[in-house]
Amino acid sequence: AQRVTQPEKLLSVFKGAPVELKCNYSYSGSPELFWYVQYSRQRLQLLLRHISRESIKGFTADLNKGETSFHLKKPFAQEEDSAMYYCALVSNRDDKIIFGKGTRLHILP
Amino acid sequence: DAGVTQSPTHLIKTRGQQVTLRCSPKSGHDTVSWYQQALGQGPQFIFQYYEEEERQRGNFPDRFSGHQFPNYSSELNVNALLLGDSALYLCASSQPVGLYGYTFGSGTRLTVV
Repeated sequence: AQRVTQPEKLLSVFKGAPVELKCNYSYSGSPELFWYVQYSRQRLQLLLRHISRESIKGFTADLNKGETSFHLKKPFAQEEDSAMYYCALVSNRDDKIIFGKGTRLHILP
Repeated sequence: DAGVTQSPTHLIKTRGQQVTLRCSPKSGHDTVSWYQQALGQGPQFIFQYYEEEERQRGNFPDRFSGHQFPNYSSELNVNALLLGDSALYLCASSQPVGLYGYTFGSGTRLTVV
């Protein structure tokens, strides 16, 4: 079964400290992985995608097929990073997104 | 570009009633997907429309139906509303292959009383 697991519902990190939001997936094939972010009172928006190997707002994510993980990382947290983060998988078979339940990142001053 | 627009933003309905939610995709996008997001949960896939046809469907009952128009806009209809249908309904648009990411609307908050 296709599944995305984000084990932490809430992650609190001090400003300037490193951030790692965990994401594990279950999929029999080669999925495409994404991270979406939702800031307070804003719509869900794409943060980054595995296929483009980009860094957005200082965040990066590496796909580890052996561990079936796609953890989101940032070396130095900023207060504006406080938001809800969703890891998502797009099946290349049927093109629908499967979301994790999300992790709320709270940056402490 | 207004991105994805959804209407209405909020809606209150009574159990057993029917509701129609609307979505206009981002310019250049022709695929529309609908998601249900319950409080504290990630979005759950309802269905996807492309070329005016339902292309994919999630685990939702037949009470949930949809439509896509020639201009790519879409409607989500829910019949015989239940209290459990209360949620944020999100519309997302994309190009036919969603590997470039989806653009989401702000959602319609449906409350069933």
